[in-house]
Amino acid sequence: GAGVSQSPSNKVTEKGKDVELRCDPISGHTALYWYRQSLGQGLEFLIYFQGNSAPDKSGLPSDRFSAERTGGSVSTLTIQRTQQEDSAVYLCASSPTTGEGLQYFGAGTRLSVL
Amino acid sequence: DQQVKQNSPSLSVQEGRISILNCDYTNSMFDYFLWYKKYPAEGPTFLISISSIKDKNEDGRFTVFLNKSAKHLSLHIVPSQPGDSAVYFCAASNNAGNMLTFGGGTRLMVKP
Repeated sequence: GAGVSQSPSNKVTEKGKDVELRCDPISGHTALYWYRQSLGQGLEFLIYFQGNSAPDKSGLPSDRFSAERTGGSVSTLTIQRTQQEDSAVYLCASSPTTGEGLQYFGAGTRLSVL
Repeated sequence: DQQVKQNSPSLSVQEGRISILNCDYTNSMFDYFLWYKKYPAEGPTFLISISSIKDKNEDGRFTVFLNKSAKHLSLHIVPSQPGDSAVYFCAASNNAGNMLTFGGGTRLMVKP
């Protein structure tokens, strides 16, 4: 597709379960970012991938969160042992290069932890 | 410690009038400032940006002003249209462009 694609669009899980969220960036974009937006809040940076470089994980809130990017394209964000405070919209963005900050966002995955 | 702040959670204006959305930042290392617009159940979409070496950038009905000494920027929409009703996020990046730091957003409602 032409834009950033995320799946699933909605995910409901029970506390303590693991979840995987997927992001397909725009073809050819070398940079990929994960953010989350909690209710009524702005977007919070989680992790950033650029090409084959080691990811910038400085925004991950705990070691229950991890992400990988296979083949420089698709990325998966994994949350282990989910907690209720993990409930948020998780947004993925990609950009053709770093520099000016212009990023293209997917529609997000709304995660609800019961 | 919020580096980018949008102090007005909401703004209501009449169709045809000017909408002014404000944003303040604390980090003097930011090089680019961007405004994103977000509709419900959609991802943010880029609206307009400005480099720290400029003080104004205009694109159609949208103009962004940057006051570096005050660490303040604003987005002007004129004339406002009902379709402009959305949440507007101010964001900033450093020269590495690794991540965007977002404000909390301002919900704009344009009344017909």
